[in-house]
Order: sequence, then C-alpha cells, then structure tokens
Amino acid sequence: DTGVSQDPRHKITKRGQNVTFRCDPISEHNRLYWYRQTLGQGPEFLTYFQNEAQLEKSRLLSDRFSAERPKGSFSTLEIQRTEQGDSAMYLCASSFQRENLNEQFFGPGTRLTVL
Amino acid sequence: AQTVTQSQPEMSVQEAETVTLSCTYDTSESDYYLFWYKQPPSRQMILVIRQEAYKQQNATENRFSVNFQKAAKSFSLKISDSQLGDAAMYFCAYRITGGAQKLVFGQGTRLTINP
Repeated sequence: DTGVSQDPRHKITKRGQNVTFRCDPISEHNRLYWYRQTLGQGPEFLTYFQNEAQLEKSRLLSDRFSAERPKGSFSTLEIQRTEQGDSAMYLCASSFQRENLNEQFFGPGTRLTVL
Repeated sequence: AQTVTQSQPEMSVQEAETVTLSCTYDTSESDYYLFWYKQPPSRQMILVIRQEAYKQQNATENRFSVNFQKAAKSFSLKISDSQLGDAAMYFCAYRITGGAQKLVFGQGTRLTINP
C-alpha cells in the first residue's frame, strides 16, 4: 500500500501522560499536514511542513504539542501532559506541491482517548 | 477569516435517487479551491470532487457534480443514482491558492442511503 499511513490507529492514555503519533506520507510528497478532528466536527488544521521545515502552526497547537519531520520524510506529533480535551482523531495528510495543484491525501488517523 | 458552513447535519436518500448536500463559505479571496471530501465510517477521508474558483464551469466526476455559485459563495454537491457505498460523512472544504494551502472544513453532513 503506497498511501499515507499512521501509527498507532488507537491510543488510550491517562491524563498527564505523554503520547507520540507517527505519520508516514506518500514517498514523493514534500508537504505534510496535521489536522485534529473532534467528534461531530470537521478536521481543523494544526500544522504543516514543507520538506523538513515546519512553516505554519495553528493557534490550536499549544506549547504542549510539538511536531517534527526529520529529513523531510515521516513526521511525529507529540502531546505532553495530555488533557481530556485532547481526545480527538489526529489526521495526517500529505501532498506534492506543484503550482497550485496540491491535492492532500489523508491517512486513516490516530484516535486518542484521554481518560 | 475563512469559514465553511454545512447547514445539514444529516441527510438521507433512497438508493438510486438523487441527493444534494449544501455548503456555503465566506472569504475575501478571489482565487481559491473548493472541495468535497467523503469520510466513510472508520475509513480515511478521500477527495470526491474539486472546483477551482476561476472556472465558471461546474465540476463533474461520474455521478458527482457541483453547483458552484461564486457570487453567492455557495458550493453544493449533487449525488445522482445514489448507491449504498455512498453512505458516509461528507465534508465541504476550502483553501486559498498560496501559502500553506491548508484546508478549512465545514462541520460535515452524514449521508444515509436507504435500500
């Protein structure tokens, strides 16, 4: 399968614990996006990378959140000191920037439950 | 700030019939893209159809077509000959042509297909 993959698919943690999610984009894609989707809502943008550079972060991304994309390949999203409000689906998407054509392909998501 | 509004939380249609999902958006930009994404239960989001704002012709992809009214900032999705596999959450989304090209999503419409 050459689509976007995310690991783990589900994560249950206790409040105050740290969690890390991984996203593997489509191999030739230079852009990678993280979105958060809460129950009954559409996804909301968190941050994006062009190659290894993190170029924009949403105000939703508090200082407990950090994202990396070393070497412009896979990306990790870490949440420190999790709170119940962090419970959501975390979606990763990747794209190849070519002029204005920038179709984003989504992964299956990581569903986080904070108890 | 750009916003996308889907006023129909749920819709249902008989198999083989036609259904229209509504979407309105707010933007001050003149050049942008609009999308409809489908998110089946427990499966990843996939692109259904895309419309470029500078094109007056409505986009069509097989059984899926849009009614794009730029002055009214309206972007509805018509699904013809509905099939059981069309059952999903449908999200309307918007993005500008430059910068991060992050997607701004509506709240979604849950479509049920009745056999």
